[in-house]
Amino acid sequence: GEDVEQSLFLSVREGDSSVINCTYTDSSSTYLYWYKQEPGAGLQLLTYIFSNMDMKQDQRLTVLLNKKDKHLSLRIADTQTGDSAIYFCAETPLTSYKLIFGSGTRLLVRP
Amino acid sequence: DAGITQSPRYKITETGRQVTLMCHQTWSHSYMFWYRQDLGHGLRLIYYSAAADITDKGEVPDGYVVSRSKTENFPLTLESATRSQTSVYFCASSDVTSGTLAKNIQYFGAGTRLSVL
Repeated sequence: GEDVEQSLFLSVREGDSSVINCTYTDSSSTYLYWYKQEPGAGLQLLTYIFSNMDMKQDQRLTVLLNKKDKHLSLRIADTQTGDSAIYFCAETPLTSYKLIFGSGTRLLVRP
Repeated sequence: DAGITQSPRYKITETGRQVTLMCHQTWSHSYMFWYRQDLGHGLRLIYYSAAADITDKGEVPDGYVVSRSKTENFPLTLESATRSQTSVYFCASSDVTSGTLAKNIQYFGAGTRLSVL
């Protein structure tokens, strides 16, 4: 079956690194995504990784994929107050054009 | 305006009334999606459309109807609103074209917050 799980809440201090974790069940997933949702807004794509990659870096963002454990993480370096938002992990199963979303992790950055 | 727009942004209605939420995209993306967002559930897919006149059910389609007579529009109708349909509704579109390894990057509207009293 298809299921994506995330922890609900993470609180960090400004300037620290944040790590948001996600586990998924569909081993056929081709792409995995991280979306950001700011208050009152829609979801915005942050980054994505193809399933044959282990790591992808994009400025302050690092995505790590452990396909064996079906574990995805998003690391935000030098976290800023503007990074406070809800972060969603999502996967695309091989046979579908749908996105399966986790329930989201609310990141709070304390000054 | 370029992009994907939803209207209205906020809507209050009563149980039993019909409500239509609008979604319009200017990119000519083939795929469009409707999600609802509820606390503790993340985003759940209601309906999606692969092209004009082609629609299919998602995870939670009951109580909703969609149509897609034009590529750029994908309205969602609640035929007889219930309190359980109080939610935030998001429309999305995707430029995924073909192939099982195609990226499925979805672009989201700002959402419609619907309250059913």
